[in-house]
Amino acid sequence: EDQVTQSPEALRLQEGESSSLNCSYTVSGLRGLFWYRQDPGKGPEFLFTLYSAGEEKEKERLKATLTKKESFLHITAPKPEDSATYLCALGVVAGGYNKLIFGAGTRLAVHP
Amino acid sequence: EAQVTQNPRYLITVTGKKLTVTCSQNMNHEYMSWYRQDPGLGLRQIYYSMNVEVTDKGDVPEGYKVSRKEKRNFPLILESPSPNQTSLYFCASSKGLAGSYNEQFFGPGTRLTVL
Repeated sequence: EDQVTQSPEALRLQEGESSSLNCSYTVSGLRGLFWYRQDPGKGPEFLFTLYSAGEEKEKERLKATLTKKESFLHITAPKPEDSATYLCALGVVAGGYNKLIFGAGTRLAVHP
Repeated sequence: EAQVTQNPRYLITVTGKKLTVTCSQNMNHEYMSWYRQDPGLGLRQIYYSMNVEVTDKGDVPEGYKVSRKEKRNFPLILESPSPNQTSLYFCASSKGLAGSYNEQFFGPGTRLTVL
């Protein structure tokens, strides 16, 4: 069964304290690993797509990496504006079409 | 501005009273989808549409209906809402099939409470 698990559920960091969020998955046919950011009261906003093990992508203080079983979202020297819920999603093939399976998310709070 | 809009943003209703949540996108996207988001469960797909007049069930379709008569609009219909449909709902669109290397754009969400 295709599934995705994110950890930790919540993470509190001091400004400048680097850390990583984990997304572990089991999938029969991966069509991409997606990261989204969700601010309170808003819809998810696309960050990255990773397609194959070993791939890395960066955007400002965020760096996403992918292995065959998990993805990490590394946050370097975070700022309070990085506070949000980060969602991981698998792109899979199901019933003849492509779909996304989302994890429950990691709530990140960065304090000054 | 490229965007997905949903209305209403907040809705409180009673069991059994039919309601419609509208969704519209201005990006000429073929693919549209509805999700519900519940604490600890993540986003779960309700219905999706690959183009006009083409819709299909997602993972949690029970109690919901959709239609796609125009490319830009994809309303979600609850014929007889029940309390277990209290949730946060998101509409999303993408250029191609979700998961096929295409970024999904999400609306701002509709918070529905069914009493």
